[in-house]
Amino acid sequence: GENVEQHPSTLSVQEGDSAVIKCTYSDSASNYFPWYKQELGKGPQLIIDIRSNVGEKKDQRIAVTLNKTAKHFSLHITETQPEDSAVYFCAASRLSGGYNKLIFGAGTRLAVHP
Amino acid sequence: DSGVTQTPKHLITATGQRVTLRCSPRSGDLSVYWYQQSLDQGLQFLIQYYNGEERAKGNILERFSAQQFPDLHSELNLSSLELGDSALYFCASSVEDTQYFGPGTRLTVL
Repeated sequence: GENVEQHPSTLSVQEGDSAVIKCTYSDSASNYFPWYKQELGKGPQLIIDIRSNVGEKKDQRIAVTLNKTAKHFSLHITETQPEDSAVYFCAASRLSGGYNKLIFGAGTRLAVHP
Repeated sequence: DSGVTQTPKHLITATGQRVTLRCSPRSGDLSVYWYQQSLDQGLQFLIQYYNGEERAKGNILERFSAQQFPDLHSELNLSSLELGDSALYFCASSVEDTQYFGPGTRLTVL
């Protein structure tokens, strides 16, 4: 069935360092890959997304890369700040005719230490 | 603030009871999605509605049902509640691909 694996489950970095979170998806028909950040007591917030016709996308300190052949996608956060501390979720979806069922990874708890 | 609202924020009830969770999507969004977040299962897709009609279904239990009304708000009904139904329930809405999540309803079944 559809599955998304996410690693690592926890990540601890020093402020200013980079953080990388990796995901693997099983459904080769997946074509949409969003990343969400969830802070304590809040709902998931979209931080960046990528579609299968693009290999890389960047937004300031955040970048996402996609390798369709290997069915891998990764989130890269540079120059981390304490406010980046949160749980990050990757997800995959097969967009088609308004159908948009997100399959989420298990999440990565990122701690950025000052 | 995503623009998606959910009520109530917290709900405490007993096993065997029935509850209704409510979601108002962002203005103009036709799709509404429901997700369950628990410690052991993570974020699980339950169901999607588009303009009043069911569009996609996940691993939603038969004890759970949802609907989307003409004004596009949605309700998730959970019945014959069990201890294992305790979780955060999120609603999301979208107009195209991007799903925007509400703040969630925390359900505790005692």
